[in-house]
Amino acid sequence: DGGITQSPKYLFRKEGQNVTLSCEQNLNHDAMYWYRQDPGQGLRLIYYSQIVNDFQKGDIAEGYSVSREKKESFPLTVTSAQKNPTAFYLCASTGTRVNEQFFGPGTRLTVL
Amino acid sequence: AQSVTQLGSHVSVSEGALVLLRCNYSSSVPPYLFWYVQYPNQGLQLLLKYTTGATLVKGINGFEAEFKKSETSFHLTKPSAHMSDAAEYFCAVSDSSGGYNKLIFGAGTRLAVHP
Repeated sequence: DGGITQSPKYLFRKEGQNVTLSCEQNLNHDAMYWYRQDPGQGLRLIYYSQIVNDFQKGDIAEGYSVSREKKESFPLTVTSAQKNPTAFYLCASTGTRVNEQFFGPGTRLTVL
Repeated sequence: AQSVTQLGSHVSVSEGALVLLRCNYSSSVPPYLFWYVQYPNQGLQLLLKYTTGATLVKGINGFEAEFKKSETSFHLTKPSAHMSDAAEYFCAVSDSSGGYNKLIFGAGTRLAVHP
């Protein structure tokens, strides 16, 4: 089955540590996205990538970094510079002109 | 720039009652519009989309939405609510400004269904 996988489902981090969230898709989509979701705030765009080796900052990129070395993969690193990283993180991809996005199951990150 | 406003962060209905979730958008070009549903601790699932053509769009689980250009609205409806419809719903508009495709999401509406 084609789809998007995110791992791990739950992640715990100590303050001051970097952590990397995985996102993989086998839909052959060119564009991939990372969102952060906090209660009552909807989805906020962190980074997005339209093609391999290219990515753009979204609305809340500070404290995050990404890479896009392969079409299938778009990992997100939450760095120690991110002041409030506890949130639900969603990865998405699209291969259509109308930008219908397909979402992964999400990773819940908790900073201890 | 495009934007989306969802009126009502929480909506509560009785089982069997009409569901109406409101969405208004602003867009400088003909929009592509979407409704997504999210169940607790899960990703978003596409309910329906409007691209071109017929303004009344039917989606999964008995939901439909009507694109009204004059009102810049894309409200989501379902004639009869079911307990399983309890979830959070997001309206979104496609944004291609700057040469990059993005979705702009509303803040979401949490739907509660009570017996």
